[in-house]
Amino acid sequence: EAGVTQFPSHSVIEKGQTVTLRCDPISGHDNLYWYRRVMGKEIKFLLHFVKESKQDESGMPNNRFLAERTGGTYSTLKVQPAELEDSGVYFCASSQIEGGVGFFGQGTRLTVV
Amino acid sequence: GDSVTQMEGPVTLSEEAFLTINCTYTATGYPSLFWYVQYPGEGLQLLLKATKADDKGSNKGFEATYRKETTSFHLEKGSVQVSDSAVYFCALTLNTGGFKTIFGAGTRLFVKA
Repeated sequence: EAGVTQFPSHSVIEKGQTVTLRCDPISGHDNLYWYRRVMGKEIKFLLHFVKESKQDESGMPNNRFLAERTGGTYSTLKVQPAELEDSGVYFCASSQIEGGVGFFGQGTRLTVV
Repeated sequence: GDSVTQMEGPVTLSEEAFLTINCTYTATGYPSLFWYVQYPGEGLQLLLKATKADDKGSNKGFEATYRKETTSFHLEKGSVQVSDSAVYFCALTLNTGGFKTIFGAGTRLFVKA
């Protein structure tokens, strides 16, 4: 069974540009989570989808971040325009039941220069 | 607010040494506790978990006991191997609408041959 996959694995962009990260959850998992780890600090929650609906987006840092989950399948996280402080590793996780142990992707390392 | 604090790294040990990585938490409810591991170039993997007080989670020779009285969940292994070199994250999950996971900052472990 395929795990959670994230694309790209690395992205280097200039300040002010736009970047879109993608997450493909495990098939059949209704719950999808985005997290990020900035500057070697703790991994912080960004938001939680249940199918295509945003259940909790309290962790989204500002309106430069837009997450979507079309049709309740894969999800995208767009950063527009990117700022230097957005650099970090963005993780996606999915689970079958809400509160269940999430299976994590390998993360996307974003570097804004 | 809810949080997880774990010892700062990096931790450097020789092979077969005893490992302890301290983790304490603050939570308004009754959390489930987890240790995740990230090996170089890979995603986060669940290492072990405990869902109630005095439970002991164990996997791959690692153990951690849920101590409600000290709000701790320290990770231990009796004899580390070079292949245990990774970043270890302590985490908790609360049933507060969405079951989002709160992570510690991570502790990097280096094991020398």
